Amino acid sequence: DVKVTQSSRYLVKRTGEKVFLECVQDMDHENMFWYRQDPGLGLRLIYFSYDVKMKEKGDIPEGYSVSREKKERFSLILESASTNQTSMYLCASSTGTGSYEQYFGPGTRLTVT
Amino acid sequence: AQKVTQAQTEISVVEKEDVTLDCVYETRDTTYYLFWYKQPPSGELVFLIRRNSFDEQNEISGRYSWNFQKSTSSFNFTITASQVVDSAVYFCALSESTNTGNQFYFGTGTSLTVIP
Repeated sequence: DVKVTQSSRYLVKRTGEKVFLECVQDMDHENMFWYRQDPGLGLRLIYFSYDVKMKEKGDIPEGYSVSREKKERFSLILESASTNQTSMYLCASSTGTGSYEQYFGPGTRLTVT
Repeated sequence: AQKVTQAQTEISVVEKEDVTLDCVYETRDTTYYLFWYKQPPSGELVFLIRRNSFDEQNEISGRYSWNFQKSTSSFNFTITASQVVDSAVYFCALSESTNTGNQFYFGTGTSLTVIP
């Protein structure tokens, strides 16, 4: 079974803090993604990566950055957390160069106070 | 413009009823992929099905069936004889080719509640 794990299920941070969300997949997938999920808005893509050290902006990259130093790990960084970044963050991975299904982690519910 | 539209925000049905979740998509690509995911209360999205744009055959998997119609740009999902365990948020998604690979677009989800 594909396993995507995220470092925390729940996280509470203060405004202005630097926040790291970690995602690890164990299936040697080339592609990894970060989404945020908000009520009524569905999933919105923040960043994605198709290879180590490679990153591409999604639909809402502002206020975020990412790092992919190893194939299995994709980190999402909030440089200076703000209250409007309170959300559920979902990491996903997929294989191949075609359009294969994504496998999701359990999510991290981040609250910024 | 929304590439994937799930017009039904919330649906409630009584157990054993059939229910259809609608999905309408928008793309100019000739090659694309459509997906359905289930998000139960635990939160983790579970992949249900993938269809490519060249395969319009309907698919049935147990109580689940999918109706893909390119003429109406729709990919609807029907649950037959619904059960309480079907209660979840269901997402439809579209994947298109871009210069840097494939990008996914998710709908806003349909929350299904099955009442015992």
